[in-house]
Amino acid sequence: QSVLTQPPSASGTPGQRVTISCSGSSSNIESNYVYWYQQLPGTAPKLLIYRNSQRPSGVPDRFSGSKSGTSASLAISGLRSEDEADYYCAVWDDSLSGVVFGGGTKLTVL
Amino acid sequence: QVQLVQSGAEVKKPGASVKVSCQASGYTFTDYYMHWVRQAPGQGLEWMGRINPNSGGTNYAQKFQGRVTMTRDTSISTAYMELSRLRSDDTAVYYCARNRGDVVVVSDNWFDPWGQGTLVTVSS
Repeated sequence: QSVLTQPPSASGTPGQRVTISCSGSSSNIESNYVYWYQQLPGTAPKLLIYRNSQRPSGVPDRFSGSKSGTSASLAISGLRSEDEADYYCAVWDDSLSGVVFGGGTKLTVL
Repeated sequence: QVQLVQSGAEVKKPGASVKVSCQASGYTFTDYYMHWVRQAPGQGLEWMGRINPNSGGTNYAQKFQGRVTMTRDTSISTAYMELSRLRSDDTAVYYCARNRGDVVVVSDNWFDPWGQGTLVTVSS
């Protein structure tokens, strides 16, 4: 059971906006930065969002991150077929003194 | 360009140890922490720990304490992760990942790039 809770699946049609949630607690999300990773099938994860809402160079502005209290969200607008992947949130947990990942959300583009 | 290249797939018997390497290029190896993350087949990501390539200091996830050892060889810009007393549920892809976060902020951990992954299969 993951410390961070994500929905196991999400879906949308091309062009739609989809949101993926990540729920935690006061020892992780509420007090630390949240990060998001995209993992395409058969590949290593790739950084999407760092420090709650910052995009690395090369990541399209269709991807955005936000945080409020003990929850965080990843939004993908203008959904495209190549966005079909697994998405993970990650954060430092003060109680565990380590990085924790959400269980992952499989995004399907219908 | 910044790149992490890991060693090849391994097949081990239960009770054995495995050592995975991760060679860095394109940046100063000692300037960034290196983390190790694993992913069991069809499962999510699991953080194992990190090493400071400059000092050699390590922090391990509680789950792996006593079984994992992370080391580095700065002369060849390579980090290593050794896992001992292997069990069947250690079968997974093991990734190294560079931490681009602020080195003085322990909670600032963003991983970029990642190695290509090393499949470790534990089977009798």
